[in-house]
Amino acid sequence: RKEVEQDPGPFNVPEGATVAFNCTYSNSASQSFFWYRQDCRKEPKLLMSVYSSGNEDGRFTAQLNRASQYISLLIRDSKLSDSATYLCVSRGGTGGFKTIFGAGTRLFVKA
Amino acid sequence: GAGVSQTPSNKVTEKGKYVELRCDPISGHTALYWYRQSLGQGPEFLIYFQGTGAADDSGLPNDRFFAVRPEGSVSTLKIQRTERGDSAVYLCASSGLGLAGANTGELFFGEGSRLTVL
Repeated sequence: RKEVEQDPGPFNVPEGATVAFNCTYSNSASQSFFWYRQDCRKEPKLLMSVYSSGNEDGRFTAQLNRASQYISLLIRDSKLSDSATYLCVSRGGTGGFKTIFGAGTRLFVKA
Repeated sequence: GAGVSQTPSNKVTEKGKYVELRCDPISGHTALYWYRQSLGQGPEFLIYFQGTGAADDSGLPNDRFFAVRPEGSVSTLKIQRTERGDSAVYLCASSGLGLAGANTGELFFGEGSRLTVL
């Protein structure tokens, strides 16, 4: 079983739609969680950190449920420029900073 | 430059050859990570360094893979007796993790080294 699992998609949505991505992690000792964005043939870049209390950054909202070992990302009012692969990331456990990426969820936003 | 630099950007080699991939992290970053990414997959963890030492090398697939960071800055990923299955993009990332005052511990990636084994 992979340490971080995501639905690979692709998700095809029209502009303006709301889309949600889910992710589960298997290492209960993981301490920090993130969403990264990766554009085609580019390197991953941090989108946002994920906190237990939930956090929002503009049109993006991230949630963490430690009891269920579940992480989510909600994108409201999708833009064409949101088309990318979204990578779920967990870090830590046993005091280290090992950082594990999921396989990614592909999003296509269409006009 | 200010970002993570990886060389070479592209490497084509023959099966059985030895390859070295280099990563020059952001100045002052103590943590350095190596990942391997195949088409349609996420970055696969290989190893990470905290300073000069390998803090976790559990992702190295076998003993043909080895990485060093002798002075706590530049790192080299070494692959012996390359196989066709080693073909992938090798990504390096650095972070201020572990530094006093470090914020989120964001990983900053280089553009990767694309390895093709014929």
